[in-house]
Amino acid sequence: QSALTQPASVSGSPGQSITISCTGTSSDVGGYNYVSWYQQHPGKAPKLMIYDVSNRPSGVPDRFSGSKSANTASLTISGLQAEDEADYYCSSYTSSSTPYVFGTGTKVTVL
Amino acid sequence: EVQLLESGGGLVQPGGSLRLSCAASGFTFSSYAMSWVRQAPGKGLEWVSAISASGGRTYYADSVKGRFTISRDNSKNTLYLQMNSLRAEDTAEFYCAKDLTTVTIGYFHYWGQGALVTVSS
Repeated sequence: QSALTQPASVSGSPGQSITISCTGTSSDVGGYNYVSWYQQHPGKAPKLMIYDVSNRPSGVPDRFSGSKSANTASLTISGLQAEDEADYYCSSYTSSSTPYVFGTGTKVTVL
Repeated sequence: EVQLLESGGGLVQPGGSLRLSCAASGFTFSSYAMSWVRQAPGKGLEWVSAISASGGRTYYADSVKGRFTISRDNSKNTLYLQMNSLRAEDTAEFYCAKDLTTVTIGYFHYWGQGALVTVSS
């Protein structure tokens, strides 16, 4: 099972909106609504930001939103803030022999 | 407060074995699926293994199948990962993670601080 494909980096100015894509196949992202997103600051453990494509766990700001179209899921950060600078990973359930797969990761830079 | 504390990491030679433990507190451990996720130095996240709340179902990545065994002791609130036939490419920070709800597997809500496993001669 190959990792889901994400852009290596995305940047934006404070207050702007950015979108991170996560491309898979019909065997993972496209076939199930079991997509999640994680934020990881340097030297820290990841944090769950989105689950079930578009749901936010308690405590996650509503500036973070998720969506999906066909085989591509997306994470949008609105009103970008300095503390949003981090690595972001998508994840999906898959029908392959490895049931869960992460994306390649995207470094978000706040200019 | 949910706490997950990994232990058992260290330096091991190729072909060797190591057992990681994850001591859980602050929630009803026996009600949640648990997982191990690893991250090689400077690399991305890789899901390794998961176990259902009761321990009756286990899941593995192809990269570790047949070499790693996940287990749990609900009476001790502890998750384990027995790692055999270790390879250099298994070098990574290993995180244990608690699932989001009592009915989900694969949504890693709370994470431990990680245990570093280094496989080298």
